[in-house]
Amino acid sequence: AQSVTQLGSHVSVSEGALVLLRCNYSSSVPPYLFWYVQYPNQGLQLLLKYTSAATLVKGINGFEAEFKKSETSFHLTKPSAHMSDAAEYFCAVRAFTGGYNKLIFGAGTRLAVHP
Amino acid sequence: EAGVTQFPSHSVIEKGQTVTLRCDPISGHDNLYWYRRVMGKEIKFLLHFVKESKQDESGMPNNRFLAERTGGTYSTLKVQPAELEDSGVYFCASSLGPNQPQHFGDGTRLSIL
Repeated sequence: AQSVTQLGSHVSVSEGALVLLRCNYSSSVPPYLFWYVQYPNQGLQLLLKYTSAATLVKGINGFEAEFKKSETSFHLTKPSAHMSDAAEYFCAVRAFTGGYNKLIFGAGTRLAVHP
Repeated sequence: EAGVTQFPSHSVIEKGQTVTLRCDPISGHDNLYWYRRVMGKEIKFLLHFVKESKQDESGMPNNRFLAERTGGTYSTLKVQPAELEDSGVYFCASSLGPNQPQHFGDGTRLSIL
């Protein structure tokens, strides 16, 4: 069975600082991994996805994530935080239950960016 | 291209009443999913439609929840009767194929009093 753990329910950074949001996964098969972002009063927006190609995945808004099999991690980073990055971020793994395509989410990490 | 649309955006009802949530997927997307997030917890899968058929309903919490997808287009999720623990945000997502990324709507915030 697949699962996802996001370390830190709240992360606070200064504008211009590095953003690092942690995600560890558990999967008995090669995983497909995703990061979604939810801005206030909006739905979930796909930031990036890993589907067994390059281990360093670039997404929208300057975010990227690196798949590390040895560490079972898929941490999300951005070199320089912007005020507009304040949102809740969700890591997810695709579960292949009987061949069906559902997402298993972590609990989410709320990112605050202060001046 | 219009995204996934959910209606209503917010619903407040009393315990024991019935509520119906609606989701309009992206046009042409055969795959439609329902998820929900109860307060402070993970977003959890409820069920998956392929066209009008229920492909996987393993996440439906109990028989008070009924999902339908008329003609393989929009979907409804009915809760009858609603209980306090049903409060949360209900998300709908759609994808072109089962291996394609899922696109989410803005969610319906359901509050049971």
